[in-house]
Amino acid sequence: QLQLQESGPGLVKPSETLSLTCSVSGGSIGTTNNFWDWIRQPPGEGLEWIGSISYGGTTYYCPSLKSRVTISADTSRNQFSLKLSSVTAADTAIYYCARRTIAVRDSWGQGTLVTVSS
Amino acid sequence: QSALTQPASVSGSPGQSITISCTGTSSDVGGYNYVSWYQQHPGKAPKLLIYDVRYRPSGVSNRFSGSKSGNTASLTISGLQAEDEADYYCNSYTSSDTYVFGTGTKVTVL
Repeated sequence: QLQLQESGPGLVKPSETLSLTCSVSGGSIGTTNNFWDWIRQPPGEGLEWIGSISYGGTTYYCPSLKSRVTISADTSRNQFSLKLSSVTAADTAIYYCARRTIAVRDSWGQGTLVTVSS
Repeated sequence: QSALTQPASVSGSPGQSITISCTGTSSDVGGYNYVSWYQQHPGKAPKLLIYDVRYRPSGVSNRFSGSKSGNTASLTISGLQAEDEADYYCNSYTSSDTYVFGTGTKVTVL
């Protein structure tokens, strides 16, 4: 059974870079037709798709965040990562990683809260 | 890209049926059959209910069904149960090779 687990600092200072990693077990991130998403949810608000990386390493980003986001993968560790630069309080959210097979997003991590504050 | 439009709240009595709409454009909902629906209980990660407009993953109750007409997708919950009280989100692939979520709908079981 596929499992995903987010990890990273829970507190980031304004203007700094948020960095999170999603560790995948029970399956390979290099499996054909698998895409690996980052999604966030500000407290009390809705879901926002941040971006994804494909099994082949192609990245896709939400247009409104594209200038600040980098998603990468480490196949040797079976992990993929999110970097969001120049963060503000508006980036405070629960960050989820998820597996998507074409358009079927069927496995999610439990989510990790990241607070942007000095 | 703008979030897909969902009603903020929908309510119903146990046993009733309710429908949640998800309105987009021809560049997302209307242009592709890649609409999915998620259920989220408080403090939990979202759970996939429907994918590709109308298909249920294994293990999801057949009380949940999806459809689409034009730029609007819909999720219907039949035989409403107390455990269905949650937030629901639609999600669609877009012409920009990205994804967009709906604004979310809170379902209340009266």
